[in-house]
Amino acid sequence: AQTVTQSQPEMSVQEAETVTLSCTYDTSESNYYLFWYKQPPSRQMILVIRQEAYKQQNATENRFSVNFQKAAKSFSLKISDSQLGDTAMYFCAFTQLFGNEKLTFGTGTRLTIIP
Amino acid sequence: DSGVTQTPKHLITATGQRVTLRCSPRSGDLSVYWYQQSLDQGLQFLIQYYNGEERAKGNILERFSAQQFPDLHSELNLSSLELGDSALYFCASSVSLDRGFTGELFFGEGSRLTVL
Repeated sequence: AQTVTQSQPEMSVQEAETVTLSCTYDTSESNYYLFWYKQPPSRQMILVIRQEAYKQQNATENRFSVNFQKAAKSFSLKISDSQLGDTAMYFCAFTQLFGNEKLTFGTGTRLTIIP
Repeated sequence: DSGVTQTPKHLITATGQRVTLRCSPRSGDLSVYWYQQSLDQGLQFLIQYYNGEERAKGNILERFSAQQFPDLHSELNLSSLELGDSALYFCASSVSLDRGFTGELFFGEGSRLTVL
């Protein structure tokens, strides 16, 4: 069974600074996707970024980028130039490429951006 | 707006009661997923339907059941409710594998269930 671990329950950072959220996962699969979802106080789950395991290049999406270390099964999220609107719960998630398509989520990191 | 619609947004009921949560997936999506998020917890997978058939089952209680109808909307039925069932219930949908599944799930806004 796949597991996703987020070891930082809470983090805070000053506005405009850079912050990195950690995620590790465990799987025996070789083909899979990894995700970071954001859940603001509005509670809507919003996709932040996606990484295909077969791609060595780290995904980037504007101020958001990942550091994907497949051998170490590590998938961290870096937020640059953090903004007040980045305040949210961030969930790391995993899905295998073949088989059922459900997402397995970590327990989340509560990120607070301080003005 | 993800295109996934969930009703009701809020629901308050008493222990022992039964409720039904409804979900309409994005147009064209055949897969529907149900997740439970208890207070300050991650999302726990309950069940997945694909084109009307159950495809995967997670830690769904026997008191809970779900189905997906021919028009692809889905309902999650929660019965004999207990205080611990209070949670946010999310529905999500996705593109099917033969239509370019990317792994992304599109989530509704959730149904907040409070059991008193």
